[in-house]
Amino acid sequence: AQSVTQLDSQVPVFEEAPVELRCNYSSSVSVYLFWYVQYPNQGLQLLLKYLSGSTLVKGINGFEAEFNKSQTSFHLRKPSVHISDTAEYFCAVSAYDMRFGAGTRLTVKP
Amino acid sequence: DTAVSQTPKYLVTQMGNDKSIKCEQNLGHDTMYWYKQDSKKFLKIMFSYNNKELIINETVPNRFSPKSPDKAHLNLHINSLELGDSAVYFCASSQPDWQETQYFGPGTRLLVL
Repeated sequence: AQSVTQLDSQVPVFEEAPVELRCNYSSSVSVYLFWYVQYPNQGLQLLLKYLSGSTLVKGINGFEAEFNKSQTSFHLRKPSVHISDTAEYFCAVSAYDMRFGAGTRLTVKP
Repeated sequence: DTAVSQTPKYLVTQMGNDKSIKCEQNLGHDTMYWYKQDSKKFLKIMFSYNNKELIINETVPNRFSPKSPDKAHLNLHINSLELGDSAVYFCASSQPDWQETQYFGPGTRLLVL
């Protein structure tokens, strides 16, 4: 079975600073990789996903992620964050089912 | 129009009661899911239905029973509620392939007293 580890439970950052949220996965088969965002009191929505092809994936709201097969990682990045990016971010991996990481709480401070 | 809707949004009830949560999607998807999110935000899949047929049934107590009257609806019935059932329950839908994006409802916050 596949699994996901999000290496940081909380990431505080100042507005307009860059941010990286780290995600590592484990699987014995090929997987699809996702980042979802959950704003307070809402459901999850897709930021981006990697299925195949180019390892750099661009998503909504200026986010991007890079798939690194040798390091089994799928880190999420944004060059300049806004207050409105404050949310919970979930990395997920799917093959025969969907597994989510424990989440990273991104807090953007003014 | 809301793509995936859930009712009720909040549910406060006593231990031992039976309750249901309803989910509807208007995206034309064939697959629907129930997830449980605990107080630490950990999200775990409970059930997956594809065109009204149960595909995934993770290790959840048999007090939890999903019902899909048609492929646009997936309801969750919970018998004999326990304190540990307190959580946020999310419904989601997608096309039937694990590479497809899942679309989540707003969640139902269940509190068992």
